[in-house]
Amino acid sequence: SQKIEQNSEALNIQEGKTATLTCNYTNYSPAYLQWYRQDPGRGPVFLLLIRENEKEKRKERLKVTFDTTLKQSLFHITASQPADSATYLCALREQTGYSSASKIIFGSGTRLSIRP
Amino acid sequence: NAGVMQNPRHLVRRRGQEARLRCSPMKGHSHVYWYRQLPEEGLKFMVYLQKENIIDESGMPKERFSAEFPKEGPSILRIQQVVRGDSAAYFCASSPRTSKRDTQYFGPGTRLTVL
Repeated sequence: SQKIEQNSEALNIQEGKTATLTCNYTNYSPAYLQWYRQDPGRGPVFLLLIRENEKEKRKERLKVTFDTTLKQSLFHITASQPADSATYLCALREQTGYSSASKIIFGSGTRLSIRP
Repeated sequence: NAGVMQNPRHLVRRRGQEARLRCSPMKGHSHVYWYRQLPEEGLKFMVYLQKENIIDESGMPKERFSAEFPKEGPSILRIQQVVRGDSAAYFCASSPRTSKRDTQYFGPGTRLTVL
């Protein structure tokens, strides 16, 4: 079955720098991959989705890339701010026998801390 | 449009008791998913339901756990005879029937503590 690995449990960077988080998957390439943000004590919040035929997707200070050859997605936050501190989860849909079924599996997350 | 609602937000049970967790999906959403998150760990898929049907329960423990999503009312995750290892945050998510992106909208979670 598909496995997702996020590069590190924690990442600590200086405010204003670009944070880069990595998500690797082990098996088939999914049709798309998603990134979520989770703050302590709260549920995950959807940020971005990138399809397999898209190399890059941007939303304000966020950028996601998707390399199906490397089986990897990179998540970038430019001009990082302390308010960006959170856990970021990568997720993808696991293929099932049902066209309408959507079992989403998540990585364990990377805890990002932006220090002032 | 209210988001996904879960109640209770915090639940304390003693070993051997039953825990019932409720989830009301967003208006117009007919797909519900339950996840468990242990401290310092990622979200683990438990079960995926549509109205009155369990679509995928491959992540559910074989015993003591059950889930339903009736025609009327919220989805219920039921844990019988709770043990300390059941202590975790349980999140519910919903998505609309016609969503092609499978974006899931999460509730705030129920934090279960088993004494």
